[in-house]
Amino acid sequence: SQELEQSPQSLIVQEGKNLTINCTSSKTLYGLYWYKQKYGEGLIFLMMLQKGGEEKSHEKITAKLDEKKQQSSLHITASQPSHAGIYLCGAAFSGGYNKLIFGAGTRLAVHP
Amino acid sequence: SAVISQKPSRDICQRGTSLTIQCQVDSQVTMMFWYRQQPGQSLTLIATANQGSEATYESGFVIDKFPISRPNLTFSTLTVSNMSPEDSSIYLCSVRSGGENIQYFGAGTRLSVL
Repeated sequence: SQELEQSPQSLIVQEGKNLTINCTSSKTLYGLYWYKQKYGEGLIFLMMLQKGGEEKSHEKITAKLDEKKQQSSLHITASQPSHAGIYLCGAAFSGGYNKLIFGAGTRLAVHP
Repeated sequence: SAVISQKPSRDICQRGTSLTIQCQVDSQVTMMFWYRQQPGQSLTLIATANQGSEATYESGFVIDKFPISRPNLTFSTLTVSNMSPEDSSIYLCSVRSGGENIQYFGAGTRLSVL
């Protein structure tokens, strides 16, 4: 979606390395969601951010929303092969939380 | 959160035929959604399905092509009608659970049209 730009498109890292995925919006976000998609498993909800400057962590994954609520980053520390998959950011805009707009996704491979 | 079961998980269909995809949730939810993910692309919302009312379709999607049923608060179906190879996609249902502003997704239905 042009409303939500995700970078990079793909990423290959060595196990144990840190990495960051970015999601940038052209408009102010009401909510920013991070999902992980693996083959045959649909989308797995990771985190939701709503407030400017908010930061959330779950295990080795940290997501931040900037103060202006137009950019989010997802950071993985000490990556493992289990982190491999497609990471999607989704956004709720002024239309509400029913219609989510998704980024194109970042395909992550982690090599042992 | 909610546990969502989608059937079938995958199917290969002939052009001109129709396929109905089922979505079952383990709890009662007001809002259910159907998304499409075309090959190599991100998710696009097809429609919102509320129990007891007609589904609301997004721009570019019409009821004749994607009829939706929502007979109760735990179940919905999406039919892909008169299929063509361009309909080959992953179709996913999602629900918005309780008072949360979070959508939870099923595993998806991988459809190939020959």
